[in-house]
Amino acid sequence: AQRVTQPEKLLSVFKGAPVELKCNYSYSGSPELFWYVQYSRQRLQLLLRHISRESIKGFTADLNKGETSFHLKKPFAQEEDSAMYYCALKGAGAQKLVFGQGTRLTINP
Amino acid sequence: EAGVAQSPRYKIIEKRQSVAFWCNPISGHATLYWYQQILGQGPKLLIQFQNNGVVDDSQLPKDRFSAERLKGVDSTLKIQPAKLEDSAVYLCASSLEPLKEQYFGPGTRLTVT
Repeated sequence: AQRVTQPEKLLSVFKGAPVELKCNYSYSGSPELFWYVQYSRQRLQLLLRHISRESIKGFTADLNKGETSFHLKKPFAQEEDSAMYYCALKGAGAQKLVFGQGTRLTINP
Repeated sequence: EAGVAQSPRYKIIEKRQSVAFWCNPISGHATLYWYQQILGQGPKLLIQFQNNGVVDDSQLPKDRFSAERLKGVDSTLKIQPAKLEDSAVYLCASSLEPLKEQYFGPGTRLTVT
């Protein structure tokens, strides 16, 4: 079965501090992992995907198959990073996204 | 380009009543998804269409939920009769192809009293 776990419902850090949002998954094959973000009063949107290996808005995420994790990191948090973040998984060859429960990130000034 | 459109944005009904939601995907997007997002949880896929055919409806409660995409463009999701536990945000998303990026609509917030 495919399962995504985000252990923190809420995360609060100060502006300029490093941020790490945790994501662990359960899947027997080779998954594709994503981070989605929803800013206040905006739509859910894709932030980044592991296969792209890119940095978006200063965020990066590395797939660790040994620890079955896909944590989202940013070295210096900004106030505009405050949002709801969802980790999602797609199984190999599958079309369905399975989402975690989300982490609400608040950046304090 | 215009995004995914959904209506209504908010709906309040009593239990056992019926309700319908409408979604218009991004022009040219062949794949359409309906998700249910209960408060405090992530979105859960209810049904996926490829053009006007159903690809996956394994998590759709078929005794009360139905969805159609007759012409392969816009889609409706219906609940009949509604239960209290159906209170949620219903999200529509579309993608050019099944494995491409999904674009989400603003959602419809349903409250069943």
